[in-house]
Amino acid sequence: SQQGEEDPQALSIQEGENATMNCSYKTSINNLQWYRQNSGRGLVHLILIRSNEREKHSGRLRVTLDTSKKSSSLLITASRAADTASYFCATDGGDYKLSFGAGTTVTVRA
Amino acid sequence: DGGITQSPKYLFRKEGQNVTLSCEQNLNHDAMYWYRQDPGQGLRLIYYSQIVNDFQKGDIAEGYSVSREKKESFPLTVTSAQKNPTAFYLCASRRIPGNTIYFGEGSWLTVV
Repeated sequence: SQQGEEDPQALSIQEGENATMNCSYKTSINNLQWYRQNSGRGLVHLILIRSNEREKHSGRLRVTLDTSKKSSSLLITASRAADTASYFCATDGGDYKLSFGAGTTVTVRA
Repeated sequence: DGGITQSPKYLFRKEGQNVTLSCEQNLNHDAMYWYRQDPGQGLRLIYYSQIVNDFQKGDIAEGYSVSREKKESFPLTVTSAQKNPTAFYLCASRRIPGNTIYFGEGSWLTVV
């Protein structure tokens, strides 16, 4: 079953602006991961945040996790045209399966 | 180069036919997965395998079959029992223990 639900479904921003997307999930997790998918391609891992962490940074990416609200957010700062893609959150409940949400499609306009 | 290779990239299936999608990895990963993605949708788990000669059903296994005779290979057969097989299929693998899943480039299957 798809545990994660991303919001918004689609996002259009100007190059240089920040993009924020959210993910909500239903059951307890060991970690939450974010992946990117370019159109018609496989998914690429971006960042992982463990259940005992609240915030994590990687380059222009910032992820937060609120386990009490069962939600996470991904912030992409200073967006570039190359950031145009779909972004998925995936939850790991510790059973070696990842459950993916439906994704947020981000379009960065030049 | 290390990675996951899926073939073919594009496949057309006639009604009533079985087709097999290939997935090979040279990452020495223990676990392998098959996901289905419909347009504008997320990924749904079809089958997964954590060890050779063993595999488990995911959320949408009906109409699909797999085998795991070798660590590096996890082929997916889409049988005629799968009534709506047109989709994008993604193979993935993962080290155990490990957190990150690595994906292949996907295979498009279309029913004609």
